[in-house]
Amino acid sequence: EVQLVESGGGLVQPGGSLRLSCAASGFTFSSYSMNWVRQAPGKGLEWVSYISSSSSTIYYADSVKGRFTISRDNAKNSLYLQMNSLRAEDTAVYYCARRGIVVVPAATYYYMDVWGKGTTVTVSS
Amino acid sequence: EIVLTQSPGTLSLSPGERATLSCRASQSVSSSYLAWYQQKPGQAPRLLIYGASSRATGIPDRFSGSGSGTDFTLTISRLEPEDFAVYYCQQYGSSPQITFGQGTRLEIK
Repeated sequence: EVQLVESGGGLVQPGGSLRLSCAASGFTFSSYSMNWVRQAPGKGLEWVSYISSSSSTIYYADSVKGRFTISRDNAKNSLYLQMNSLRAEDTAVYYCARRGIVVVPAATYYYMDVWGKGTTVTVSS
Repeated sequence: EIVLTQSPGTLSLSPGERATLSCRASQSVSSSYLAWYQQKPGQAPRLLIYGASSRATGIPDRFSGSGSGTDFTLTISRLEPEDFAVYYCQQYGSSPQITFGQGTRLEIK
């Protein structure tokens, strides 16, 4: 079964740090790009960060740039998100999501086809 | 950054009715990069549609997507009780920024 399982969430004070992990199973993790997406309580989805399969390409949302670092260990089938200088507005459920891709002669399609159940991060004093 | 605006914010319909959800982009989006997701309370999002009109694996054919450029639509032809949820559009474009719409809540009337 294709599966993503996040861990590492919890309660942290403003200015603190937290490291999230995402364990992948049931597919060849090293072949897929990955994303982190978050959802604040009662709010919509917000993309946070992207990392390519080889870690050669990394992107961040402006809201976390300079504070969060995405990484992966293909040998351990794991994705990570190091979160520093945390703020109250970073409070959210954090999901890891696989980037799906379909390549046909006329186009290449990208989407997020596999999601974990999420881990909750609460930033509060 | 491409902004996606979904309408309506809330749609109240009865089982068996047809639902039409809209997603409008602030600038042109390649259809290849437009996806729709369904999210139920306490659950992760689920991919419904990719490439604006292609159904993901296991998605019933009552779900369909259409559109191009800046205007995209998700249609549910005949609502089942399990379809009442929040729906998000997403553009996964060539720019570094990936964006979601704010969501449409589909509720039982």
